[in-house]
Amino acid sequence: GAGVSQSPSNKVTEKGKDVELRCDPISGHTALYWYRQSLGQGLEFLIYFQGNSAPDKSGLPSDRFSAERTGGSVSTLTIQRTQQEDSAVYLCASSLAQGQDTQYFGPGTRLTVL
Amino acid sequence: AQSVTQPDIHITVSEGASLELRCNYSYGATPYLFWYVQSPGQGLQLLLKYFSGDTLVQGIKGFEAEFKRSQSSFNLRKPSVHWSDAAEYFCAVGTAAGNKLTFGGGTRVLVKP
Repeated sequence: GAGVSQSPSNKVTEKGKDVELRCDPISGHTALYWYRQSLGQGLEFLIYFQGNSAPDKSGLPSDRFSAERTGGSVSTLTIQRTQQEDSAVYLCASSLAQGQDTQYFGPGTRLTVL
Repeated sequence: AQSVTQPDIHITVSEGASLELRCNYSYGATPYLFWYVQSPGQGLQLLLKYFSGDTLVQGIKGFEAEFKRSQSSFNLRKPSVHWSDAAEYFCAVGTAAGNKLTFGGGTRVLVKP
């Protein structure tokens, strides 16, 4: 079956612009996660959605970052007023539910802020 | 808060030789432990996971890992490395609620012919 998909695969933007990154989780997975992978910080948790519960936003680095999940499926991560330090690979993962279920990762979106 | 340390940033191993990647974690309760592999330009693929029970866990691609609570370790091993095993390997710990993973810094494995 289809895995987690992310779009775009690459995004180059200018400092100060807003960007939107999309994640399509595996069908039927109720939990969705965003992580960021950068040279300086490694792999970091950003935000987590589980069903209709309020998302866990504890990993978002600043208020320029936000995410939503529509209809319990597709998620969009938005970065406003991008900065060069936002350059990273943004990874999305989904799992059947929270807890012990395996998180399946998408290929990521590589964001470059010039 | 939980943390994961992978002491080796790079490891070079000859094809056919054995491989061991170290992982040490810090977590106040029973950890949920994972090893993921990331090939160039690819997402993360789960190799194996430990939640409870037998402390020796078998995974895909011939990998295994052993949970040692006394040493707070979860080292990954493979008896005979193939060239296709060249990749970056990440150890991660999950909380009991399982709502997020904390990753180590990764170990990049190079395989010599």
